[in-house]
Amino acid sequence: QKEVEQNSGPLSVPEGAIASLNCTYSDRGSQSFFWYRQYSGKSPELIMFIYSNGDKEDGRFTAQLNKASQYVSLLIRDSQPSDSATYLCAVSSSGNTPLVFGKGTRLSVIA
Amino acid sequence: DAGITQSPRHKVTETGTPVTLRCHQTENHRYMYWYRQDPGHGLRLIHYSYGVKDTDKGEVSDGYSVSRSKTEDFLLTLESATSSQTSVYFCAISGPTGGGDNEQFFGPGTRLTVL
Repeated sequence: QKEVEQNSGPLSVPEGAIASLNCTYSDRGSQSFFWYRQYSGKSPELIMFIYSNGDKEDGRFTAQLNKASQYVSLLIRDSQPSDSATYLCAVSSSGNTPLVFGKGTRLSVIA
Repeated sequence: DAGITQSPRHKVTETGTPVTLRCHQTENHRYMYWYRQDPGHGLRLIHYSYGVKDTDKGEVSDGYSVSRSKTEDFLLTLESATSSQTSVYFCAISGPTGGGDNEQFFGPGTRLTVL
């Protein structure tokens, strides 16, 4: 059974701080890693994906991947109240194989 | 906007009735997926399709069937709905027409209540 683990939260950070969201996965053969943001009552929205070890930056978001430790993280710099949402980590083994999702971490950014 | 629509967006039905949910995409993506999302369980894969008439089961496929007779439509059928199938159902797509990229994009969801 392939598993993806996330702390459920809530993770509370003050406005302007860095939010750090973490995810571990069980399948060592995983190749593709995704972060989705989901607002309450809405569908998941893809915000980052990473395929290689290291860091990938896109605006205020940085995804970090360490395949040896089977660990992927998402950093959100200069957190805003609008970043308050549930963040889902998802992993797939290759190509367009279905994603395995974590249960999500709820982030609350306090103004 | 990945051009995905789901219908209906909300449905209330009774135990034992058949229900069909539709996912429609306009950009000729090869792969389509059905997930359900429940509190405490997160998103779980029901079925997926890797081409017209090509489908496979996911983690929670019991009680569900799917069909894909044309590229743009992926139907999810509950043959005889049960209260345990009350959930929010999301369709997702991936893959450009020529293959490659496996980022998945989600439709708006269908909230199904089985009484």
